[in-house]
Amino acid sequence: AQSVTQLGSHVSVSEGALVLLRCNYSSSVPPYLFWYVQYPNQGLQLLLKYTTGATLVKGINGFEAEFKKSETSFHLTKPSAHMSDAAEYFCAVSPPNDYKLSFGAGTTVTVRA
Amino acid sequence: DAGVIQSPRHEVTEMGQEVTLRCKPISGHDYLFWYRQTMMRGLELLIYFNNNVPIDDSGMPEDRFSAKMPNASFSTLKIQPSEPRDSAVYFCASSSRTFATNEKQFFGSGTQLSVL
Repeated sequence: AQSVTQLGSHVSVSEGALVLLRCNYSSSVPPYLFWYVQYPNQGLQLLLKYTTGATLVKGINGFEAEFKKSETSFHLTKPSAHMSDAAEYFCAVSPPNDYKLSFGAGTTVTVRA
Repeated sequence: DAGVIQSPRHEVTEMGQEVTLRCKPISGHDYLFWYRQTMMRGLELLIYFNNNVPIDDSGMPEDRFSAKMPNASFSTLKIQPSEPRDSAVYFCASSSRTFATNEKQFFGSGTQLSVL
């Protein structure tokens, strides 16, 4: 079974500051890991994914995440926040070659001018 | 491509009424997913189809919920009878076997359901 825990339901950052969203997972098999973003009144969009290979993955809009097996973590970062980054972010996990995603509860990011 | 298309965008109904949500997946995608999003439970997978066949419906909350996929370009999620606790945003997503792994699901904009 797979599950995801996102630490912090709300994160507030200043424009230009580092964005750090935390995600820890539980999986009985090597996981595939994902970060999705949801803007108001829209569906989810994939930011980035880890399946195999390089543990530091880069996604769209300047985001990146690092898979750390020893810490069972997949934290999302962006060096410099923009106002347009205000949204809800979801971490998700699935077994390899399985289409069933399990999502975390989500983290809402607000960006202060 | 137009993306995953869901209708209606908003639905308001009274308790006890039948509700039908509709989804058109991206052309060529052979996997289709229905999710429910609530403040209390977050984003939950209800059911998913492969080649129009339901593969896993373990997330369907109860018998009042049913989903069908009569062809590759259309799916419905029906609630009969509806209850206030069914109020949520329902998302449809699709994906393709051409992704060697579960690399990406494409989500629709969702249907906001309010049951009064």
